[in-house]
Amino acid sequence: EVQLMESGGGLVQPGGSLRLSCAAAGFTVSSYWMTWVRQSPGKGLEWVASIKQDGSAKYYVDSVKGRFTISRDDAKNSLYLQMNSLRAEDTAVYYCAREYSNANWYDPWGQGTLVTVSS
Amino acid sequence: EIVLTQSPVTLSLSPGERATLSCRASQNIASYLAWYQQKPGQAPRLLIYGASNRATGIPARFSGSGSGTDFTLTISNLEPEDFAVYYCQQRVNWPLTFGGGTEVEIK
Repeated sequence: EVQLMESGGGLVQPGGSLRLSCAAAGFTVSSYWMTWVRQSPGKGLEWVASIKQDGSAKYYVDSVKGRFTISRDDAKNSLYLQMNSLRAEDTAVYYCAREYSNANWYDPWGQGTLVTVSS
Repeated sequence: EIVLTQSPVTLSLSPGERATLSCRASQNIASYLAWYQQKPGQAPRLLIYGASNRATGIPARFSGSGSGTDFTLTISNLEPEDFAVYYCQQRVNWPLTFGGGTEVEIK
C-alpha cells in the first residue's frame, strides 16, 4: 500500500528553524515528483515546493524562497523540508504528496504535520 | 502567477441533488486542471485530473469538464459523504496554484 507519513512539526519561535520529514512506503520517492503543500488554520491549500524525480529541478513559492529547502534521501526513501527564518505566517499544516499520472497532480497525500510559529 | 477563482464559496444542497462547482483561471491553462476533495481533519484527495479524467477509485457521479479558462466539477447525485470542501489546482506553470475552495454543505 502506498503511504506517506509526515513528522517533525511543532512549536517554534519566529526566526527559528524546523525540519519536516515525509517517510514513504509502497513506492520509491526517487521515481516521482514530490511536493509539499501547506494549509493555514481555517484557510485553503497553498503549494510550497516540489522536487523532480532526479533532483535536478526544485521549485518554490516566492514567499519561502531563500528560507525553505526541499530535499530527498533515497536511501531512507524520504522527503524533507528544511525551514529556516520562520515567520508567523508559516503557521500551517504541512502535507507531503506524490505526483499522480506522471504530471504535477498529487495523490496520495500524507496526514499532515502542524507547524506553529509563535513566541 | 495564475490565479484560480472558485465559485460559489459555499453551496447548500440536499443529498440526492446535483452540485455544480466552478473554477475560472486568470489565463488559458488548456486542460491542466485538477479537482481535490477535502473533508474536515483529513488530507485532500484527488478526484479529477486533466480537467475531465477521474482518478483511480473515484465514483462516476463525479465529473469534470472545461478547458482554457472555465472549468466545472459536477457531482450528479450528492451522497452524504460528498459534503466537503473542493479545490481546483493548475499545473500549466510554476508556481502551482490552488483555488480558494468551494464548501458543499448540507442544506
